[in-house]
Amino acid sequence: AQSVTQPDIHITVSEGASLELRCNYSYGATPYLFWYVQSPGQGLQLLLKYFSGDTLVQGIKGFEAEFKRSQSSFNLRKPSVHWSDAAEYFCAVGAINSNSGYALNFGKGTSLLVTP
Amino acid sequence: EAGVAQSPRYKIIEKRQSVAFWCNPISGHATLYWYQQILGQGPKLLIQFQNNGVVDDSQLPKDRFSAERLKGVDSTLKIQPAKLEDSAVYLCASQPTLGRSYEQYFGPGTRLTVT
Repeated sequence: AQSVTQPDIHITVSEGASLELRCNYSYGATPYLFWYVQSPGQGLQLLLKYFSGDTLVQGIKGFEAEFKRSQSSFNLRKPSVHWSDAAEYFCAVGAINSNSGYALNFGKGTSLLVTP
Repeated sequence: EAGVAQSPRYKIIEKRQSVAFWCNPISGHATLYWYQQILGQGPKLLIQFQNNGVVDDSQLPKDRFSAERLKGVDSTLKIQPAKLEDSAVYLCASQPTLGRSYEQYFGPGTRLTVT
């Protein structure tokens, strides 16, 4: 079964420090991988996605992620965190489900707190 | 381009009552999803539509949940009767059509509290 694990429930970083959020996936074929961000009271916004090709993917708001097939990982990074980055971050894998449908399987999320 | 619209944004009901949520996807998007997001967890798919047909409803608790997408545009999700464990945010998402290559666009969600 396709699944995503985000090992860190909460992460606290200082403003200006670098950030790495971990994501591990389980998927039999080549995965389609996504990172979404959710601010309080808001819907999910796509940060970046990986379908194929270059394993280092650039996204919006200065985020990037690296796909590592050997480690089944798709970690999200940002070199310098801003206070406005405080939010919930979700990793997801796009999976074919029954009846040839397609949906996203999400991890449980990582809550990011940014301190002054 | 207008995003995915959902209403109401918040709803508080007592257990055993019924409730309905509405979603208007991005214009022209054929595929529509309803996800349930329980506090502290990631969204979980409830049902997926392609136009006005159901593609996957295997995770929808059909004894109490129902959903429809008449005319292949707007969609409603209903819970009857509600249970305490239905307290969650219900997210609607749409994408241009079926397939893995397309981005899903999410609405702001409806936060349901069942007391």
